[in-house]
Amino acid sequence: DAKTTQPPSMDCAEGRAANLPCNHSTISGNEYVYWYRQIHSQGPQYIIHGLKNNETNEMASLIITEDRKSSTLILPHATLRDTAVYYCIVAPVSNDYKLSFGAGTTVTVRA
Amino acid sequence: EAQVTQNPRYLITVTGKKLTVTCSQNMNHEYMSWYRQDPGLGLRQIYYSMNVEVTDKGDVPEGYKVSRKEKRNFPLILESPSPNQTSLYFCASSSAGYRSYEQYFGPGTRLTVT
Repeated sequence: DAKTTQPPSMDCAEGRAANLPCNHSTISGNEYVYWYRQIHSQGPQYIIHGLKNNETNEMASLIITEDRKSSTLILPHATLRDTAVYYCIVAPVSNDYKLSFGAGTTVTVRA
Repeated sequence: EAQVTQNPRYLITVTGKKLTVTCSQNMNHEYMSWYRQDPGLGLRQIYYSMNVEVTDKGDVPEGYKVSRKEKRNFPLILESPSPNQTSLYFCASSSAGYRSYEQYFGPGTRLTVT
């Protein structure tokens, strides 16, 4: 599976957009980019995923560069409840459905 | 409400005393798995199941057993717990195919083995 690189931490002001980068320069053609988050010691929560097109849902937007070597998760209007560890995961379509969580980015939203 | 439930949420036990952590999902998902989370090591997969009676080892299966006799349930069994199995455990489920990586996680079970 492709390895991902994320900054260890970042701060964001409440009400502002939070842009979370992820580098996945070794991504293969059949690998998707998934984002999860984990609010302190709770179960991880699926946010969004994409292959090569930009995606948006009620939680966030995912921007994937044209060469697919990096992506950005955008939380459009961060709230205090968005404080969490955010994980960028690259996963192929395979039979084991295993999510390989790295260290993630600890996002702190400040009032 | 779609959910994955785990019981117990907290458990303190002693070395060698067999225990079972239950996991149940109400979404008719084919895929279920168990993870453990430890500081500095992140989330690691223990076992997974593609469907009833189909299970396989994840990255850290030693000391654990699972069974999948019903589609909704996937219990994690520690037959002889040891202190190194003190951890935070999560169960997850998803449907098969395209949406397989959109996994729903349970609230976690914090296990302490003394």
